[in-house]
Amino acid sequence: EAQVTQNPRYLITVTGKKLTVTCSQNMNHEYMSWYRQDPGLGLRQIYYSMNVEVTDKGDVPEGYKVSRKEKRNFPLILESPSPNQTSLYFCASGRNYGYTFGSGTRLTVV
Amino acid sequence: AQSVTQLGSHVSVSEGALVLLRCNYSSSVPPYLFWYVQYPNQGLQLLLKYTTGATLVKGINGFEAEFKKSETSFHLTKPSAHMSDAAEYFCAVSSLDSNYQLIWGAGTKLIIKP
Repeated sequence: EAQVTQNPRYLITVTGKKLTVTCSQNMNHEYMSWYRQDPGLGLRQIYYSMNVEVTDKGDVPEGYKVSRKEKRNFPLILESPSPNQTSLYFCASGRNYGYTFGSGTRLTVV
Repeated sequence: AQSVTQLGSHVSVSEGALVLLRCNYSSSVPPYLFWYVQYPNQGLQLLLKYTTGATLVKGINGFEAEFKKSETSFHLTKPSAHMSDAAEYFCAVSSLDSNYQLIWGAGTKLIIKP
């Protein structure tokens, strides 16, 4: 089944404790992207990757890092999470004809 | 630059009534247009898309949308609303202008009244 898999689905962490949200796709897509969704602000792009080893900042990259060492994986790294990064995060892959989204990761930073 | 405007952050309709969610876009080149749906506590699911060809596009769950170039619109409709249609709906556009990255509307929450 074609899918984008994110883990974990839910995460509660403390300020400053490094964390990684994993994202993996099995559709051989070159393009992958991370979004955060906040009430009243819609979907905002954090980072995207056009292909392996190629990443670019989206609209809200501050406080986040990504890497794309292989085509299928695109982890999102929060080196020092802060409470303002509490949000719902989505990974997506595909491009021209529509994205496939993961199920989301609800992150709470206390 | 491309942009997407969804009219109405909340739309309320009675069960069985027509659903109309409005989406207008701006693009200087031929766009690809999408509607996504997000049910409560779930991820985003592609409802339908227009890329080329027929301007009336049918999607899942009885929804359809019509690409009207002259009006720069891609409104989403469903003849008869069901309670299960309650969700948030997002319109998005992509094109060569955006390097085929999706530009998102702010979303419209559809409320179904019994």
